[in-house]
Amino acid sequence: DIQMTQSPSTLSASVGDRVTITCRASQSISRWLAWYQQKPGKAPKLLLYKASSLESGVPSRFSGSGSGTEFTLTISSLQPDDFATYYCQQYNIEGTFGQGTKVEIK
Amino acid sequence: EVQLVESGGGLVKPGGSLRLSCAASGFTFSDYTINWVRQAPGKGLEWVSSISSSSTYIYYADSVKGRFTISRDSAKNSVFLQMNSLRAEDTALYYCARVQFGGSKGAFDIWGQGTMVTVSS
Repeated sequence: DIQMTQSPSTLSASVGDRVTITCRASQSISRWLAWYQQKPGKAPKLLLYKASSLESGVPSRFSGSGSGTEFTLTISSLQPDDFATYYCQQYNIEGTFGQGTKVEIK
Repeated sequence: EVQLVESGGGLVKPGGSLRLSCAASGFTFSDYTINWVRQAPGKGLEWVSSISSSSTYIYYADSVKGRFTISRDSAKNSVFLQMNSLRAEDTALYYCARVQFGGSKGAFDIWGQGTMVTVSS
């Protein structure tokens, strides 16, 4: 089974900050990686797929990079609506999620 | 509107069974792979199972293999998750989610609102 490890688990940041979240896969997944945003009481929302492709309607301040086993999600300038929990997911084999990164207000 | 709507959750005793449904609308259901994902209270997301558009490819997480069965009915535009031998650790909000672009490999672009399953005596 492929394991996904996100870091950090919690991130404290201010509006306007540049934020980076890392996701590591236990084996190569090429670029079969997605990022989701989840707010309390809501279903996850797809942000990026294939490591760096932006889902339709998602603001361009969100970007992704990486391939193989190392990936990053970057928010270029954190907005009030971005305080949420973020998950990476590999979909090379089945669909394992990372444990999540909570972005909270500093 | 493209949407998925889950139903069938509830309170069940350990060892019991429950059948979840996921009703699709607003898109050509028969073209898409559908997954079940669960989230225990206060915890992260856990992929549970997937079924391809023609039911040819079916996969399960190790944690549910042998106890859960996924199926689909194109006439009803629905996917089902039959859950047997339920355990306390199966307590979670269960989401169904669509694989994007009609492929077998893709991110999950449409999610339902979830249905809650509680396993307790």
